[in-house]
Amino acid sequence: GAVVSQHPSRVICKSGTSVKIECRSLDFQATTMFWYRQFPKQSLMLMATSNEGSKATYEQGVEKDKFLINHASLTLSTLTVTSAHPEDSSFYICSARDHNQDRVTYEQYFGPGTRLTVT
Amino acid sequence: QKEVEQDPGPLSVPEGAIVSLNCTYSNSAFQYFMWYRQYSRKGPELLMYTYSSGNKEDGRFTAQVDKSSKYISLFIRDSQPSDSATYLCAIPPSGGYQKVTFGTGTKLQVIP
Repeated sequence: GAVVSQHPSRVICKSGTSVKIECRSLDFQATTMFWYRQFPKQSLMLMATSNEGSKATYEQGVEKDKFLINHASLTLSTLTVTSAHPEDSSFYICSARDHNQDRVTYEQYFGPGTRLTVT
Repeated sequence: QKEVEQDPGPLSVPEGAIVSLNCTYSNSAFQYFMWYRQYSRKGPELLMYTYSSGNKEDGRFTAQVDKSSKYISLFIRDSQPSDSATYLCAIPPSGGYQKVTFGTGTKLQVIP
């Protein structure tokens, strides 16, 4: 159980276009999902916390107009990179907390990641 | 001071060695600690979690917490090439925030 999927796993796009990445919790409900970015040989960097039915909370330095997050249901959050530039090329990973376990454990289940390359 | 600090490595050991991975944390109120493993180009997966002080063992892995020195460790016995990955320690949310704080990760390579 506790599987998180991401789609696509890999995407190449041209500079100036927008890319949408989906994050789904497959067998549990997630009121809270997280979006991370990871550059090569670096650690996870939290971009934003996504709450179902409300606006996302962005970390300092993350442009909310560039990285649009929508968490419309208990099993789906999307990250849209708008007007992508080569410096946005990175590995984007989402994670989710099981709504029913949230009071018991702080465990986060991670998706497999999406590798974005902007040319 | 960072909430959690971790030596980035890389750490290279021969197969069969005992591996010790460590983190220090700053808030003495923390009671719950986690270790994640991340293979290259994959998302992290939870390896172990532990409450309070003491040891917790799971197969070849042992998580240890020393609250007096605010030090957490992950030991891997009889290390295997398949253990080669980046290991991240993590501490729970604090101050009313939801996010877990991750260490920078230690890259481990087990050489056959």
